[in-house]
Amino acid sequence: GQQLNQSPQSMFIQEGEDVSMNCTSSSIFNTWLWYKQDPGEGPVLLIALYKAGELTSNGRLTAQFGITRKDSFLNISASIPSDVGIYFCAGQLGTTSGTYKYIFGTGTRLKVLA
Amino acid sequence: NAGVTQTPKFQVLKTGQSMTLQCAQDMNHNSMYWYRQDPGMGLRLIYYSASEGTTDKGEVPNGYNVSRLNKREFSLRLESAAPSQTSVYFCASSEFGVPRYSRDQPQHFGDGTRLSIL
Repeated sequence: GQQLNQSPQSMFIQEGEDVSMNCTSSSIFNTWLWYKQDPGEGPVLLIALYKAGELTSNGRLTAQFGITRKDSFLNISASIPSDVGIYFCAGQLGTTSGTYKYIFGTGTRLKVLA
Repeated sequence: NAGVTQTPKFQVLKTGQSMTLQCAQDMNHNSMYWYRQDPGMGLRLIYYSASEGTTDKGEVPNGYNVSRLNKREFSLRLESAAPSQTSVYFCASSEFGVPRYSRDQPQHFGDGTRLSIL
């Protein structure tokens, strides 16, 4: 099945450091989404991007929708221990049935060392 | 305030057994989805339902069937479970076709069903 290329696969960082991860695709998307998943729970939406070039922030998180519409990145500034988890990007596609479906990246596993 | 509820949370099956995973949402969303999550694979779409009475295949539908029982409920059935179907299954729901305008969350996820097939 189709999946997005997400990198890095995992990262260990020190508390207080900034984090950057990105997602690329061979397909064009009209919407990019970034989710975080904590252990034993479902993904929770962090940021949604609706327009090429859009830069959106949510607290210490900043994400951008690439100009080509084939990529997106997520930055986390001044990481804290509770940032630990798996981060997923997702691209939104229309369907013939009139709703949207979502293609997910393979995830970036983040571990923060206190 | 429940959102998306999945049952059961855990299940162990023997190869060849059948099982239905249940999902219900209380947000009056039209669209519902079933995903499976495997290590290193992210989430892969199994089936989705744009609205009550319609279902469509996703990326990995083989070995599964779904039923959109009503607007609230969307079930996933394994008719003859295989070890390759050992996974964590997530149900999600979203509003129909308007997330880019309402800026609501495009998808709400349940907490998952952890399924092991021996």
